[in-house]
Amino acid sequence: EVQLVESGGGLVQPGGSLRLSCAASGFTFSDHYMDWVRQAPGKGLEWVARSRDEAHSYTTEYAASVKGRFTVSRDASLNSLFLLMNGLNVDDTAVYYCSRVMTHSGTYPPGDYWGQGTLVTVSS
Amino acid sequence: DIQMTQSPSSLSASVGDRVTITCRASQDISTFLVWFQQIPGKAPESLIFAASTLQSGVPSRFSGSGSGTYFTLTINSLQPEDFATYYCQQYKDYPLTFGGGTRVQIK
Repeated sequence: EVQLVESGGGLVQPGGSLRLSCAASGFTFSDHYMDWVRQAPGKGLEWVARSRDEAHSYTTEYAASVKGRFTVSRDASLNSLFLLMNGLNVDDTAVYYCSRVMTHSGTYPPGDYWGQGTLVTVSS
Repeated sequence: DIQMTQSPSSLSASVGDRVTITCRASQDISTFLVWFQQIPGKAPESLIFAASTLQSGVPSRFSGSGSGTYFTLTINSLQPEDFATYYCQQYKDYPLTFGGGTRVQIK
């Protein structure tokens, strides 16, 4: 059974840093792209970052709103995905989800499995 | 960036109704589109990928169609568990972008 479990959320002051983790199980972690997606309170979904699979050297992509401040990485030995968030501001307050990306006929449909999310609150 | 526009933003319907949600892309995305369902307080769940392919385990009353810039999600015979918010997302280009969501409420 595929499982994704996020952790690391909490309350942080503006300008602070936080590292989110996503523990993956039930599938070959290195074979899948992985995404971080966030949802501000009462708002819609926003794609944040992507880590490609091992075959693509775990290269990354970012939304413009977080580029230069957030870094997505993996530890394959731990089957874990991370999101290091620096320079946090109030607009980064959201539930952060990690999600698995499918592989389908050479394309990469996102979000076939999701974690339960972890809440990040940026406030003084 | 590719803009995704969903309509309506909300709708009211009754159990047994047929519901159609529209998603328009600001440029051609072929069939690189997914649909998600989100129940309040829960993570999104994938319904459809590649615009029209049903995810494993998703009831057949859900269907998707479209290509290019115009897409639809149809729910035939709405069930009580279908009252939720639905999102489309394109995966043609980075940044990946979502529609604003359509909230399906009980009439």
